[in-house]
Amino acid sequence: AQRVTQPEKLLSVFKGAPVELKCNYSYSGSPELFWYVQYSRQRLQLLLRHISRESIKGFTADLNKGETSFHLKKPFAQEEDSAMYYCALRSNYQLIWGAGTKLIIKP
Amino acid sequence: NAGVMQNPRHLVRRRGQEARLRCSPMKGHSHVYWYRQLPEEGLKFMVYLQKENIIDESGMPKERFSAEFPKEGPSILRIQQVVRGDSAAYFCASSSSEVGANTEAFFGQGTRLTVV
Repeated sequence: AQRVTQPEKLLSVFKGAPVELKCNYSYSGSPELFWYVQYSRQRLQLLLRHISRESIKGFTADLNKGETSFHLKKPFAQEEDSAMYYCALRSNYQLIWGAGTKLIIKP
Repeated sequence: NAGVMQNPRHLVRRRGQEARLRCSPMKGHSHVYWYRQLPEEGLKFMVYLQKENIIDESGMPKERFSAEFPKEGPSILRIQQVVRGDSAAYFCASSSSEVGANTEAFFGQGTRLTVV
């Protein structure tokens, strides 16, 4: 079955601390994974995708096929990073979503 | 480009009424996708439409739900005889061609439907 799991509903860290948002997936083919972010009162927007291997706003995510994970990391959290973060898996034209993690950065 | 526009942002309906959710895709986009997000859950695919055609409605409940994307005007998600379980956030996304390795879907802000 195709599934995306984000085990943490809420993650709260202090400003300047490292952040890791967990994402695990189940997919029979070659996965294509994404992280989306939704800031307060704004629309969902693509943060990064694993195939581009880029760093956006200081965030990186590495696909680990052995562990079927795609964790999102940032070495030093900033207050403006507070948002909902969703991990998603593309299956043809559909996106399969995790339930999301609410990240709160404390000052 | 204003992005994907959904309206209304919030919609309250009594049980048994009809709900109509509108989605105007980004300019130049002819592919539209509807997703539903129940409380505490991730988004779930409902339907994929191109202009005047339903490509895939495998995620739509069999009854009471319908979607269209006419030649002119926005895409409409219609829910007849709403029940409390229909309360959710409904998201629309659009893309210039079918979502794939090189084609991104852009999302609207969603419509939050509350059935009372």
